[in-house]
Amino acid sequence: KNEVEQSPQNLTAQEGEFITINCSYSVGISALHWLQQHPGGGIVSLFMLSSGKKKHGRLIATINIQEKHSSLHITASHPRDSAVYICAVKKETSGSRLTFGEGTQLTVNP
Amino acid sequence: ETGVTQTPRHLVMGMTNKKSLKCEQHLGHNAMYWYKQSAKKPLELMFVYNFKEQTENNSVPSRFSPECPNSSHLFLHLHTLQPEDSALYLCASSQGIQGAHTEAFFGQGTRLTVV
Repeated sequence: KNEVEQSPQNLTAQEGEFITINCSYSVGISALHWLQQHPGGGIVSLFMLSSGKKKHGRLIATINIQEKHSSLHITASHPRDSAVYICAVKKETSGSRLTFGEGTQLTVNP
Repeated sequence: ETGVTQTPRHLVMGMTNKKSLKCEQHLGHNAMYWYKQSAKKPLELMFVYNFKEQTENNSVPSRFSPECPNSSHLFLHLHTLQPEDSALYLCASSQGIQGAHTEAFFGQGTRLTVV
């Protein structure tokens, strides 16, 4: 069992829909990252958070440390949001190392 | 554009070839990383360099040889690879490796195919 689990693995939505991607982890962490990977392979960091909630444009990330759970929300989704969204955690005991989930493939249809 | 540039973007090599992947960042970061992403698997950390010194080697086979001549450049030298080494190789950099709030910036990756 992976230390970082994401759900769903694949998600297809219609343009305009509200999207939620979930991440659960089983270890103590110092920070959690949400990353976006486009088809070409490059990865962009969306959020880094250790508590509460962050918002950037149409993206919102929340984390519940007690429940070891984080969610990434996309409001008013658009086809350009189509990408793989990856959750990664920095474990308390692992220094710089990030432990990654397998990613959620999001496809937003026009 | 994240400020981390990888070349080449695509590479096809035979098992007897020697090639190198290059990563460059001008973000003023001190730490650089190599990650491997195989199909349908999470990213795996390969190497970490901090101030040009290797601080982590995640049990990577010796056919992968990293080099960090300065804080801005990182290479991954490849020789006698196997077809199962075909993957996306991603470079990342960060300001430091300590602490919880160090954000990593990733390159576009090199798609490697070993034939």
